[in-house]
Amino acid sequence: ETGVTQTPRHLVMGMTNKKSLKCEQHLGHNAMYWYKQSAKKPLELMFVYSLEERVENNSVPSRFSPECPNSSHLFLHLHTLQPEDSALYLCASSQSYRTQDEQYFGPGTRLTVT
Amino acid sequence: KNEVEQSPQNLTAQEGEFITINCSYSVGISALHWLQQHPGGGIVSLFMLSSGKKKHGRLIATINIQEKHSSLHITASHPRDSAVYICAVMGAQKLVFGQGTRLTINP
Repeated sequence: ETGVTQTPRHLVMGMTNKKSLKCEQHLGHNAMYWYKQSAKKPLELMFVYSLEERVENNSVPSRFSPECPNSSHLFLHLHTLQPEDSALYLCASSQSYRTQDEQYFGPGTRLTVT
Repeated sequence: KNEVEQSPQNLTAQEGEFITINCSYSVGISALHWLQQHPGGGIVSLFMLSSGKKKHGRLIATINIQEKHSSLHITASHPRDSAVYICAVMGAQKLVFGQGTRLTINP
């Protein structure tokens, strides 16, 4: 058990659907992250939240909308996605948003856009 | 060219062999991470280091800051070590990831 959970684990959605990915951490961490892992590409950082404030947004299209209601929960709201958005979406957390803090990853949500 | 390059991209070995995976990077860093990703997708952090060498069980990680190079070694490899191993460097406030090395250990 990594202490970071993600739901759902698998999601298939059409391009006109709206869905949300959920991440929860039970580690008392103050920073949370969304990553995207596409086939045969390195992990890409999407968003970072520190103390519930967004501190980084790596030029992610507006069809991805993050939400961090408290330090334990992180959501990624999805709407009008494209087939190229199909990927593994990973959530992670760390004690704080500092370079030396180890990140703990969730199991990921495998998203398929049809 | 990626800021973080791993080699080899794929590695197949027999159980018991000594394994080395390499990571080279081109940016200044404050720390380097080695991660393990199993087929289900979950990622586990193996090491975080900024200098020297760390050892955990059969795993050893080394880093040479001057040469901007790190290695991950696995001694007495086992089929359960089969996974993707990812090198990530902490540059200016964010992790930059290598493409990963897919390791397969055959019994």
